[in-house]
Amino acid sequence: DAGITQSPRYKITETGRQVTLMCHQTWSHSYMFWYRQDLGHGLRLIYYSAAADITDKGEVPDGYVVSRSKTENFPLTLESATRSQTSVYFCASSERRTGNYGYTFGSGTRLTVV
Amino acid sequence: DAKTTQPTSMDCAEGRAANLPCNHSTISGNEYVYWYRQIHSQGPQYIIHGLKNNETNEMASLIITEDRKSSTLILPHATLRDTAVYYCIVIPNAGGTSYGKLTFGQGTILTVHP
Repeated sequence: DAGITQSPRYKITETGRQVTLMCHQTWSHSYMFWYRQDLGHGLRLIYYSAAADITDKGEVPDGYVVSRSKTENFPLTLESATRSQTSVYFCASSERRTGNYGYTFGSGTRLTVV
Repeated sequence: DAKTTQPTSMDCAEGRAANLPCNHSTISGNEYVYWYRQIHSQGPQYIIHGLKNNETNEMASLIITEDRKSSTLILPHATLRDTAVYYCIVIPNAGGTSYGKLTFGQGTILTVHP
């Protein structure tokens, strides 16, 4: 089906483990984004990508790694998970069109680090 | 980037119009006003955007003042399903370091009552 999908929907991992959150979109949108959402902080941008092989840091990039080898995929990796990375993670995509940032968000991944 | 100010919360009776204000007094000429909403536990959803003219779509209307320093999102006939957090975001049309990135504030919690 067309759209933007995130997997897994829920994940529990242990401190120090590496974990990868997946994001896949079927529109061939140029832009893709990763946000995290925590109580008291709202949505904060972690990383974004303007095109395949082009990524840049957002507001809170520390502890995260991203890659974009294909336009449709934008995985987010926590290299060594910490409890402070317990959060809900949202992926989004957008086509680069002047004056239109109609982002489409995925359903989110709820990550718990124990 | 221009900052936005929104009331923390608002109530509305079902079937009535919900008018959500946003102040963006430092907006510059090339910046658009975007509205998103987030229903509990879901990813944010695009509603509408505009530059200086009033806009309407199937979800809502956007009224931007002539000086562009404030705007109002109007949900003409609010339903219980419109209960959500509503975000007003200002973003440049093109160029600059903020191009393509949405920065979410705290938003307005709209509660629609039966």
